[in-house]
Amino acid sequence: SQQGEEDPQALSIQEGENATMNCSYKTSINNLQWYRQNSGRGLVHLILIRSNEREKHSGRLRVTLDTSKKSSSLLITASRAADTASYFCATRGSGNTGKLIFGQGTTLQVKP
Amino acid sequence: GAGVSQSPSNKVTEKGKDVELRCDPISGHTALYWYRQRLGQGLEFLIYFQGNSAPDKSGLPSDRFSAERTGESVSTLTIQRTQQEDSAVYLCASSPPGQGWGEKLFFGSGTQLSVL
Repeated sequence: SQQGEEDPQALSIQEGENATMNCSYKTSINNLQWYRQNSGRGLVHLILIRSNEREKHSGRLRVTLDTSKKSSSLLITASRAADTASYFCATRGSGNTGKLIFGQGTTLQVKP
Repeated sequence: GAGVSQSPSNKVTEKGKDVELRCDPISGHTALYWYRQRLGQGLEFLIYFQGNSAPDKSGLPSDRFSAERTGESVSTLTIQRTQQEDSAVYLCASSPPGQGWGEKLFFGSGTQLSVL
């Protein structure tokens, strides 16, 4: 079964606005990652946050992690039309495993 | 190569036929993953290989699905007796060794499989 569930399923905003996507998971994790997918094909890694971290930044991206609530959020600030894509969270479980489980994704549309 | 390469990019087959999908990972990447993505859905984990360890096959949906990997190079995903429900994009990804293991996946462009 899938580990991560994302919310909302779809999000539509105007250019310049901020976009927030949420991810919830079920079991303990080693790390949580966010990926972006354009046009339904290959995914691109955006950012990783470890289980002992609470917040991380990369350019216009800000990720938070709350292990007590088993949830994470991805904030994209000052969005651009080029940010239009699907965004997925992925979790790596704790223990000696590299298995990465993806959520269902959030489809973001940024209108110019 | 520069990135993860998958072939073919598109495959149309008839129900009941067998298909083979190929993945060439980035050179030096010890971990290799296969995922399935149905239209408008998330990624469904199928299998992953890590070096010479036994693969984690826990995501394979049935015994019609199998995958092999030769050393730390090419992998082949085989689907026998294809069904219409197998229609999806099959994505391959690889990950570097050491601290990067399973921490940053590099994806190929996928194989779109259509079973008629």
